[in-house]
Amino acid sequence: DAGVIQSPRHEVTEMGQEVTLRCKPISGHNSLFWYRQTMMRGLELLIYFNNNVPIDDSGMPEDRFSAKMPNASFSTLKIQPSEPRDSAVYFCASRLMDRGLLLFGPGTRLTVL
Amino acid sequence: AQTVTQSQPEMSVQEAETVTLSCTYDTSESDYYLFWYKQPPSRQMILVIRQEAYKQQNATENRFSVNFQKAAKSFSLKISDSQLGDAAMYFCAYRGSQGNLIFGKGTKLSVKP
Repeated sequence: DAGVIQSPRHEVTEMGQEVTLRCKPISGHNSLFWYRQTMMRGLELLIYFNNNVPIDDSGMPEDRFSAKMPNASFSTLKIQPSEPRDSAVYFCASRLMDRGLLLFGPGTRLTVL
Repeated sequence: AQTVTQSQPEMSVQEAETVTLSCTYDTSESDYYLFWYKQPPSRQMILVIRQEAYKQQNATENRFSVNFQKAAKSFSLKISDSQLGDAAMYFCAYRGSQGNLIFGKGTKLSVKP
């Protein structure tokens, strides 16, 4: 298995632009998580899905952030409009529900100028 | 709400020596999991070791072992025979009934040759 796949690996954009981050979980995993990592705040959970259904989105910073999981093999995290304070590394992770190990993708480094 | 505290922002160890990274957590739950993740400069999040709260025996993975003190809510990581490749950020994480992982702020480990 290729592991959790994220794209792009790096994204540089200008303030106000729309940004879409993509994630393909490990085949067979039914829980998917989006985390954000910054120096100041560490690793923060943004949202997670079980069986494609959002379970907890309380970590989503504001309405500019949205996440979807249209099927078991694909999820997106969208920021519109982006702001410089959104600059961070965004991780996607997946696992089998309940007692599975959470495995992370390589992350997307987002820079908003 | 559960919290995870890593009180050592940075640690240093001599190659081949042993180092212990501290982690404490706060929870009212009795059934949960604890993890240590390693994040090298490549920023990939790598699972190092995990512990189920109901198991009294401390988990061990080769040179990595934990000291799990449930009553004290302490979960330290011991790295024996430290190697240069062990240099990384180490994150302690808690997973309870809600299913998501809560991370500490991390400890940066340096290994001196």
